[in-house]
Amino acid sequence: NAGVMQNPRHLVRRRGQEARLRCSPMKGHSHVYWYRQLPEEGLKFMVYLQKENIIDESGMPKERFSAEFPKEGPSILRIQQVVRGDSAAYFCASSPRGVGATQYFGPGTRLTVL
Amino acid sequence: KQEVTQIPAALSVPEGENLVLNCSFTDSAIYNLQWFRQDPGKGLTSLLLIQSSQREQTSGRLNASLDKSSGRSTLYIAASQPGDSATYLCAVNDGYGGSQGNLIFGKGTKLSVKP
Repeated sequence: NAGVMQNPRHLVRRRGQEARLRCSPMKGHSHVYWYRQLPEEGLKFMVYLQKENIIDESGMPKERFSAEFPKEGPSILRIQQVVRGDSAAYFCASSPRGVGATQYFGPGTRLTVL
Repeated sequence: KQEVTQIPAALSVPEGENLVLNCSFTDSAIYNLQWFRQDPGKGLTSLLLIQSSQREQTSGRLNASLDKSSGRSTLYIAASQPGDSATYLCAVNDGYGGSQGNLIFGKGTKLSVKP
């Protein structure tokens, strides 16, 4: 059973471009969480999704950020018009159910905005 | 609002020592608490998960305890090895209100075990 997969592992974008980060959960997992780790900061929750539904997006910046988890395919975290402050490691975690279940983390995508 | 604090921020010990990492949280109404390990430039590896009804969990040389009433957890590492060098993260899942089960992390303790 493959673990949580994220791609790309490293992404470089210039200011104003779009960044698309992909997360494939573990087989059988229908719950996906996205977290962001800024330099020298702890991980912060961004958004929680189930298939075709956003359950909790309280940690997402109000502008430029969006997330989806379609019926087929990976979960996507999309950042429009990136700025230098978006440079961070973005981690995806999946679980087989919601509250209280162990979350399994992917290796992360390291976004650098030039 | 739940806050998680980890002390110390960094720790350097000689190989073979037993050590304790500390984690505290402000709201005792948690669902569970999880300890992770993060190696530089890598993802998170789950070490131990303690449900709110449990007092401790053990895995090999690792033992995690939970005192929910006082808002504290400790991770005990026995007979430390250089391969234990990493950042250790504590995270609580309070699962109430609007959090829907997302994890709230401390900033971590960076452990260095010298040969």
